[in-house]
Amino acid sequence: AQKITQTQPGMFVQEKEAVTLDCTYDTSDPSYGLFWYKQPSSGEMIFLIYQGSYDQQNATEGRYSLNFQKARKSANLVISASQLGDSAMYFCAFWFSGGYNKLIFGAGTRLAVHP
Amino acid sequence: DAGVIQSPRHEVTEMGQEVTLRCKPISGHNSLFWYRQTMMRGLELLIYFNNNVPIDDSGMPEDRFSAKMPNASFSTLKIQPSEPRDSAVYFCASSFKQPGAVRDGYTFGSGTRLTVV
Repeated sequence: AQKITQTQPGMFVQEKEAVTLDCTYDTSDPSYGLFWYKQPSSGEMIFLIYQGSYDQQNATEGRYSLNFQKARKSANLVISASQLGDSAMYFCAFWFSGGYNKLIFGAGTRLAVHP
Repeated sequence: DAGVIQSPRHEVTEMGQEVTLRCKPISGHNSLFWYRQTMMRGLELLIYFNNNVPIDDSGMPEDRFSAKMPNASFSTLKIQPSEPRDSAVYFCASSFKQPGAVRDGYTFGSGTRLTVV
C-alpha cells in the first residue's frame, strides 16, 4: 500500500536559519512524485515544490529545496533563511502513476519561526 | 484565472439538515478532488473525478455523503443528513491528468468550513 509519513508534529527555527522538514514514503510504483504544500493560519493550501521520481536533480524553488534520497525513500523539504512568514503547517504529499492522479497527504509538520 | 472557487466559505447548520458544498475547478483541468481536513484525521481524500467521471469514492465516509460532477466546470459535495462529526474544512482541488503537468501541483480552493451544531 502507498504510504507517506511525516514524523515531526512540530518544529521551531530561529529567523534567518535553515530548517529541514522530514518526509518518507513507501511505494513499489516506479513512477511517482512528491509535493510539498504550505498551509498558513488563514487555511489555504499553497503549492511549494515538486520532485518526480525520475528527476536527476533535486528540485529547488527560491528558498525551498528538496533533499530527495530515492534509495531511502525520503523527500525532505529544506527552507533556507527562514522568515517569520514561514510559520505554518507543511504537508508532504505523494502521487503515483498507478493511483489515477490522486494525491495522498502526510499528517503535516507545524513550523514556528522565532525572531 | 480565478483559481479553484469554493462556496460557501463558511456554513453553520443544524444536525439533520442537508448541506451542499460547491466547487468550480480551474478551466481546462480534468481532474477534481474533494478532501476533508480535521485535527484528528488530517487531510482525507473523499472522492475524485477524471473527466467528470467518479474514479474512486472509497474515501466517502458514509452513504450520507454524495458527490456529483455534472460538467467540467462544476462539482457538488452533499451531506444528508448532516451530523456534528461532519464538522471540518472541506477542500476542492483540481489538476491536469497529464504526466508532465502534474509537477505544476494541484490547485486547491480556499475551503469550506462546515460546522454542524
